[in-house]
Amino acid sequence: SQQGEEDPQALSIQEGENATMNCSYKTSINNLQWYRQNSGRGLVHLILIRSNEREKHSGRLRVTLDTSKKSSSLLITASRAADTASYFCATDAGYSSASKIIFGSGTRLSIRP
Amino acid sequence: NAGVTQTPKFQVLKTGQSMTLQCAQDMNHEYMSWYRQDPGMGLRLIHYSVGAGITDQGEVPNGYNVSRSTTEDFPLRLLSAAPSQTSVYFCASSRQGGGYGYTFGSGTRLTVV
Repeated sequence: SQQGEEDPQALSIQEGENATMNCSYKTSINNLQWYRQNSGRGLVHLILIRSNEREKHSGRLRVTLDTSKKSSSLLITASRAADTASYFCATDAGYSSASKIIFGSGTRLSIRP
Repeated sequence: NAGVTQTPKFQVLKTGQSMTLQCAQDMNHEYMSWYRQDPGMGLRLIHYSVGAGITDQGEVPNGYNVSRSTTEDFPLRLLSAAPSQTSVYFCASSRQGGGYGYTFGSGTRLTVV
């Protein structure tokens, strides 16, 4: 079974609104990453948060991590049409070398004009 | 820099045939991984490597072989193709030690008939 599970599976919002996606995982981690995948393309790394961090920002992205609940959230503020994509969380499943990265099932985000 | 290069981009195989998916990176990354992505799903780890000469199994290794003779190359071999191996295959690489995101190739779309 996969380490991470995103919620919701699909999300449709109006352009300009904020989008929030959640990720829950099963085992202890050293870090958690978020990736974006545009249709038919490879994944692009967005942001990495370490297990000793609670919040991290990058441009319009805000990631939070709650290790006690084994969950993370990705917030995209002021959404744009170009944000339409699938978003995946990924964890190292506790491997200290972070050489083995396991992905969740993803959230499909659609931005309506 | 080219990043992660995967060849071919598309391939059709007959059941029972064998083939090698090529992956090369020019970023001197120690970590390399192979994933498969089935329609509407997340990525599942097939095999990964932490450096030349070192490989290990991921979540779904059966039916696939890998080797890592150089830092740059990480080919994935399908021993005897089956329709269940129809998928999109992604290769990814990263610097070692954790704390770094993965760079993905653009994928190989494989159909087994």
